[in-house]
Amino acid sequence: TQLLEQSPQFLSIQEGENLTVYCNSSSVFSSLQWYRQEPGEGPVLLVTVVTGGEVKKLKRLTFQFGDARKDSSLHITAAQPGDTGLYLCADRFNDYKLSFGAGTTVTVRA
Amino acid sequence: KAGVTQTPRYLIKTRGQQVTLSCSPISGHRSVSWYQQTPGQGLQFLFEYFSETQRNKGNFPGRFSGRQFSNSRSEMNVSTLELGDSALYLCASSGRDYNEQFFGPGTRLTVL
Repeated sequence: TQLLEQSPQFLSIQEGENLTVYCNSSSVFSSLQWYRQEPGEGPVLLVTVVTGGEVKKLKRLTFQFGDARKDSSLHITAAQPGDTGLYLCADRFNDYKLSFGAGTTVTVRA
Repeated sequence: KAGVTQTPRYLIKTRGQQVTLSCSPISGHRSVSWYQQTPGQGLQFLFEYFSETQRNKGNFPGRFSGRQFSNSRSEMNVSTLELGDSALYLCASSGRDYNEQFFGPGTRLTVL
């Protein structure tokens, strides 16, 4: 059974600071996805990465996928209060099933 | 395009009762998946339906069941509720591109 570990569990920073959250897998990812979930809502897909060593950028968010495809990081530059939420990584085993990590709760204080 | 809708949004039940939750996928999406989210276990996959057939199932007891109708709407049922069933139940739909699942806001179930 694959285990996805996310760290840290909680992160609280001031607006304008940078932050990085991590996701590590006990086995090679099939297809890694990052989601953000805001209170009272369902998760929203941020990015999908497949290739080892891949780096994707979405505005202030940078996603890195390890060469061995067993770890990933999400870096946010100049965080804003709107970045507050639960950040989840997930592995798509097949077309139909996602396995999620426990998530990192990020709070950005104004 | 309307998003995934789930009803009801909140539900309070007592132990031993049963509950039915409803999910309407995005128009045109034929795949619907259900997940349970709790503080202790996080998000866990329950099952997935496509064209009224269950295609994949997670590791939950038989008390958890589901179905999908011809219009792709889906329901999940939990019988003989236990305190540990208190959770946020999320449904997600996907279309031709299975790479992305769109989640609904969830149903918050509290079992007393």
